[in-house]
Amino acid sequence: AQSVTQLGSHVSVSEGALVLLRCNYSSSVPPYLFWYVQYPNQGLQLLLKYTSAATLVKGINGFEAEFKKSETSFHLTKPSAHMSDAAEYFCAVSDPGRDDKIIFGKGTRLHILP
Amino acid sequence: GAGVSQTPSNKVTEKGKYVELRCDPISGHTALYWYRQSLGQGPEFLIYFQGTGAADDSGLPNDRFFAVRPEGSVSTLKIQRTERGDSAVYLCASSSLGGPQGNTIYFGEGSWLTVV
Repeated sequence: AQSVTQLGSHVSVSEGALVLLRCNYSSSVPPYLFWYVQYPNQGLQLLLKYTSAATLVKGINGFEAEFKKSETSFHLTKPSAHMSDAAEYFCAVSDPGRDDKIIFGKGTRLHILP
Repeated sequence: GAGVSQTPSNKVTEKGKYVELRCDPISGHTALYWYRQSLGQGPEFLIYFQGTGAADDSGLPNDRFFAVRPEGSVSTLKIQRTERGDSAVYLCASSSLGGPQGNTIYFGEGSWLTVV
């Protein structure tokens, strides 16, 4: 069964500092991987996705993630945090051989310190 | 509409009552998903429709939960004999070709269900 593990339920960074949110996946086949963001009182929004093309994926709002098969990781980064980045971030995985559900991690709440 | 629409946005019901939650997907999207998100948790898969049929209902927690999509568009999630543990945000999502294989899944803002 596929799963993702997000390390750290809460992460705090200073405004302007590097953002690093960690995600490790477990899958028996090369997966598709996603990062979603959820702002307070809003729905989930796709930040970026990896679908077996380039291993470095660029998303919206300056975020990017790198697929590392050797480490089974898909960490999310942003060079310089902005106050508006404060939100809940979810890593998710799907099996490309099946066109159905994606499985979400438990989420990491990102706090931006002024 | 432009996005996935869910109604009601908030629902408070008494334990033991029956509840229906409605999802109106993006026009033309053939795939529709229901997820449940409890406080402090990630979204948990419930059921997936491709057209009118439930392609995967393995996430429905028990037989009190049921979902339909009779005309391949709007879907209704039905919960019988609600329990306090059913309190959560119920998220609906849709995509154009049935899944994350290169197709983005779009989420609604959710229906907040509170069982008292």
